[in-house]
Amino acid sequence: GAGVSQTPSNKVTEKGKYVELRCDPISGHTALYWYRQSLGQGPEFLIYFQGTGAADDSGLPNDRFFAVRPEGSVSTLKIQRTERGDSAVYLCASSGGRAMQETQYFGPGTRLLVL
Amino acid sequence: QKEVEQDPGPLSVPEGAIVSLNCTYSNSAFQYFMWYRQYSRKGPELLMYTYSSGNKEDGRFTAQVDKSSKYISLFIRDSQPSDSATYLCAMGRSGNTPLVFGKGTRLSVIA
Repeated sequence: GAGVSQTPSNKVTEKGKYVELRCDPISGHTALYWYRQSLGQGPEFLIYFQGTGAADDSGLPNDRFFAVRPEGSVSTLKIQRTERGDSAVYLCASSGGRAMQETQYFGPGTRLLVL
Repeated sequence: QKEVEQDPGPLSVPEGAIVSLNCTYSNSAFQYFMWYRQYSRKGPELLMYTYSSGNKEDGRFTAQVDKSSKYISLFIRDSQPSDSATYLCAMGRSGNTPLVFGKGTRLSVIA
């Protein structure tokens, strides 16, 4: 597709459950980022991949959060034992195209609600 | 003190007004400065991108960066109701590194 896509668009789960959020970056983009956006706040960095490896995971809040990008394209953000405080919009972005390679293009986000 | 400060508003202006949005920052390592527009329940959409200090114009939008003052601005001329959205400033240290965002300023342009 032309842009970054994320699935699901909405996810409702119960406290303690496991969730997976998927991101499909723009084709050919080598860098992929996950951010989290709480209501009334700007996006906050979680983790960044360059190719298949996590170049920087310093934004992950704790060890319940984990992300993978096994083939250097699609990425999955995994949250174990979800808590109500995990409720937020999870945004994915990609960069690394030919022009303005630093520019990050965002997907529509996954709205996660933990009951 | 947060790395990037942005007044969350809300800001309400009449159609046709000039809008001025701004952010201040504390980290002198930032080299890339962006403005994103975010409509309700949508992802951020890149509006303007500037490297280092200077001005950049694109249609009704002008971005300014003053690194000596650690201050960036976005001006919107002839504002339209369709400009009603949240405007996020974002900054990066170098190519392909995580961005640090402001809180966003919520703008309403009233017809």
